Amino acid sequence: NAGVMQNPRHLVRRRGQEARLRCSPMKGHSHVYWYRQLPEEGLKFMVYLQKENIIDESGMPKERFSAEFPKEGPSILRIQQVVRGDSAAYFCASSPRLLSGTEAFFGQGTRLTVV
Amino acid sequence: AQSVTQPDIHITVSEGASLELRCNYSYGATPYLFWYVQSPGQGLQLLLKYFSGDTLVQGIKGFEAEFKRSQSSFNLRKPSVHWSDAAEYFCAVALYSGAGSYQLTFGKGTKLSVIP
Repeated sequence: NAGVMQNPRHLVRRRGQEARLRCSPMKGHSHVYWYRQLPEEGLKFMVYLQKENIIDESGMPKERFSAEFPKEGPSILRIQQVVRGDSAAYFCASSPRLLSGTEAFFGQGTRLTVV
Repeated sequence: AQSVTQPDIHITVSEGASLELRCNYSYGATPYLFWYVQSPGQGLQLLLKYFSGDTLVQGIKGFEAEFKRSQSSFNLRKPSVHWSDAAEYFCAVALYSGAGSYQLTFGKGTKLSVIP
């Protein structure tokens, strides 16, 4: 049973380009979470999705950031017109149901560098 | 405001010594509590979790944690540290955020260094 798969592991983008980060949850998991980790800081919640639905996007910046989890395929975190401040590690996690009774499993992360 | 506090940013211990990493939370209801470990450049691995029941929980790699409701704490312990335990440790709480949603809120982490 493969774990949470994120790709790419490392991504370099120039300012103004778009970044697409992909996350395939564990088999049987329908809940996906995206977190951002800035240097020397903990993980900050961005968005929580279930298949075809955004449940909670309270941690997403209002502009340039979007997320989706289609019926088929991986979840995508999209950052448009990247800026240097977007450089961070982005982690995806999945769970089989609500976190009130289970844990979230994390991927290895995508390290985004904006140059 | 609901929050998770890890008061120690960096701890250094000698190999073979005991370890305790502190975690305090601020949350009105019964929390769901987790400890994760992150090695450099890696993702997060779950060490242990508390949902209910026995307040002393056992995890992987010889770690344990004790939930103390009166102190709003969930401290992580290990009786004898190994050099391979050097990593960053994160305490997390699953909080209800409305609309049928729970989200993990993390502390800022404690970096553990181990002296041979």
